[in-house]
Amino acid sequence: QKEVEQNSGPLSVPEGAIASLNCTYSDRGSQSFFWYRQYSGKSPELIMSIYSNGDKEDGRFTAQLNKASQYVSLLIRDSQPSDSATYLCAVNDRGSTLGRLYFGRGTQLTVWP
Amino acid sequence: GAVVSQHPSRVICKSGTSVKIECRSLDFQATTMFWYRQFPKQSLMLMATSNEGSKATYEQGVEKDKFLINHASLTLSTLTVTSAHPEDSSFYICSARRGWASGPQETQYFGPGTRLLVL
Repeated sequence: QKEVEQNSGPLSVPEGAIASLNCTYSDRGSQSFFWYRQYSGKSPELIMSIYSNGDKEDGRFTAQLNKASQYVSLLIRDSQPSDSATYLCAVNDRGSTLGRLYFGRGTQLTVWP
Repeated sequence: GAVVSQHPSRVICKSGTSVKIECRSLDFQATTMFWYRQFPKQSLMLMATSNEGSKATYEQGVEKDKFLINHASLTLSTLTVTSAHPEDSSFYICSARRGWASGPQETQYFGPGTRLLVL
């Protein structure tokens, strides 16, 4: 069973701080990595995807990928209370021709004013 | 782009009845659609994967005769919960994969979910 592990949380940061969310995965052959945000009672929403080693920035979000360490992270700069949600890390199943993703259990983030 | 809709958003039914949930990709053709279930404060659980025109692939432990999936077209998949019971009450979420012609990218876009309550 392929695994995706996320830092357990919950994570609590003050408004304006940097929130750091971490994820490790077991399948060394995985090639596609995603971060989803899920507000309470809502469905997941894609916020970042990353496929190559290094950093990818999109506004206040930066995804970092290190395939050698099997590690992917998400940094949220200038955190806002509206960023309070559960963040899900997802990794593709390279053995699936249908595009299956494996999800971590999520890290709950609270940004307090 | 990449909008996925689900209908209904909420349904309450009596035990023993069947409930159909529709999932549509509105502005793209979905090569694959996925059905998940999520209980309160728990992680997503993949139930099944469906491709247009072929039988769905169910995850271990998911009863295919209870959760019927029909993937009628590249933009529509339906999940029917047959003879629903209170333990089937959950948040059902579909996602659609927007496949690309080349490269490893496999992005799933989620519908808004359907909250099912079986009395």
